[in-house]
Amino acid sequence: AQKITQTQPGMFVQEKEAVTLDCTYDTSDPSYGLFWYKQPSSGEMIFLIYQGSYDQQNATEGRYSLNFQKARKSANLVISASQLGDSAMYFCALNEGGGSQGNLIFGKGTKLSVKP
Amino acid sequence: DSGVTQTPKHLITATGQRVTLRCSPRSGDLSVYWYQQSLDQGLQFLIQYYNGEERAKGNILERFSAQQFPDLHSELNLSSLELGDSALYFCASSPPGQGVGELFFGEGSRLTVL
Repeated sequence: AQKITQTQPGMFVQEKEAVTLDCTYDTSDPSYGLFWYKQPSSGEMIFLIYQGSYDQQNATEGRYSLNFQKARKSANLVISASQLGDSAMYFCALNEGGGSQGNLIFGKGTKLSVKP
Repeated sequence: DSGVTQTPKHLITATGQRVTLRCSPRSGDLSVYWYQQSLDQGLQFLIQYYNGEERAKGNILERFSAQQFPDLHSELNLSSLELGDSALYFCASSPPGQGVGELFFGEGSRLTVL
C-alpha cells in the first residue's frame, strides 16, 4: 500500500484565493511526522510545514496551514491568499518514528498553478 | 539557500560509465540522506549516513554506493550507468539529536545518461 497518497496531479487556483492540496497517509506507527515541501521549477526542495502525530493543534506557518485529521489519516495543506510565486510542485511526506532522525517517504506530488 | 551544497549541478554521460556525486551538508549537521527523483518513480530515498556510519538503506541499487567521510561530506557513486538512471539526485542533511526531523535539501545534481 502507498504510504503517502496525493490524489490531485494538478490544481489551478486564482491569485489571492485559498487552495487545499490533499494528502492521505498510511502508517501503523503511533509516532510519526508529516511534512510538506515545495519544489519550484528551478528544482530545489523547500520545507514548508511540519505536523507531529501527537501535536494537538494544526500547524501553521505564515500563509500555510496543515489541516490534520488523524482519524481520517489526512494531512491537507491549505495555502491562503495564493500568489503567482506559489506555482510549483508540492509534496507531502511521512516520517515514521516520531519525526526524528529518519528518512522521508514522499507522495507523487501535486502541481499547483496560480492564475493571475 | 539551504546550506547544503551539491556538485556537479549537471552531468551528462554515457551508458556503462561511472560517476560520483558530491554533497556537503549544512554546518553542524551529522546526517546525510540521498534521494533520487525520476519521472517514473518520483522521489525515492536511497541511503542515509550519520556521522560516517550507514544508518538506513532504501531503494538503492547494488550498482550504487555511498560513503560519508570524516569531514561529513558524502559521495554517491553510480556505476554501470543505464538510461533509467537519468534523474535528479538530491542530498539532504538534518541536525543531530531529536527534533522536527526537517530535511534541508541541496539543489540537486541532474544526471543524464545517453
